[in-house]
Amino acid sequence: GAVVSQHPSWVICKSGTSVKIECRSLDFQATTMFWYRQFPKQSLMLMATSNEGSKATYEQGVEKDKFLINHASLTLSTLTVTSAHPEDSSFYICSAMAGPNQPQHFGDGTRLSIL
Amino acid sequence: TQLLEQSPQFLSIQEGENLTVYCNSSSVFSSLQWYRQEPGEGPVLLVTVVTGGEVKKLKRLTFQFGDARKDSSLHITAAQPGDTGLYLCAGPRTGANSKLTFGKGITLSVRP
Repeated sequence: GAVVSQHPSWVICKSGTSVKIECRSLDFQATTMFWYRQFPKQSLMLMATSNEGSKATYEQGVEKDKFLINHASLTLSTLTVTSAHPEDSSFYICSAMAGPNQPQHFGDGTRLSIL
Repeated sequence: TQLLEQSPQFLSIQEGENLTVYCNSSSVFSSLQWYRQEPGEGPVLLVTVVTGGEVKKLKRLTFQFGDARKDSSLHITAAQPGDTGLYLCAGPRTGANSKLTFGKGITLSVRP
């Protein structure tokens, strides 16, 4: 149980393109989802918290107009990297929680490469 | 600011050896979690420790939470190549609505 699916798992696109990443909780309803960014051999850095039906809250230094988050249902959150540039290339990981004080379940990540 | 310091940062050992790695903080955490992450995949939760002094075992992995709930250790007995990966510790941020603070991770390589 508690499976979180991310799609796509890998995307390569040209600079200036906008890229949408989906995060789905497959067998539970997620009131809260989190989006992380991870550079090679480094830890996870929280970008934003996504709550169903309300605006996402962003960590300090994360541009909300650059990284658009939509949590339209209890099983789906999307992260759109707008006008992506090579410096946005990274591994993006989402996690989902069924409720407060519940563990976070992580997706398998999306490798984004901007040429 | 609650920081989690993990050590050593990198570790390369031979199959069959034992090892211990650490997760330390100057702050008290209500709980700590250990994850293992393989390249190109998301982190997988190994264990959550909640009580000071608690010891939990998961096959060849032994996790301990410090008495003061400021640190934790992971001991692996007779390491195998399948143990290779990035080991992350994480703890809940105080008053931050379920957000986690992660350590920088320990990259473990077990050579056959």
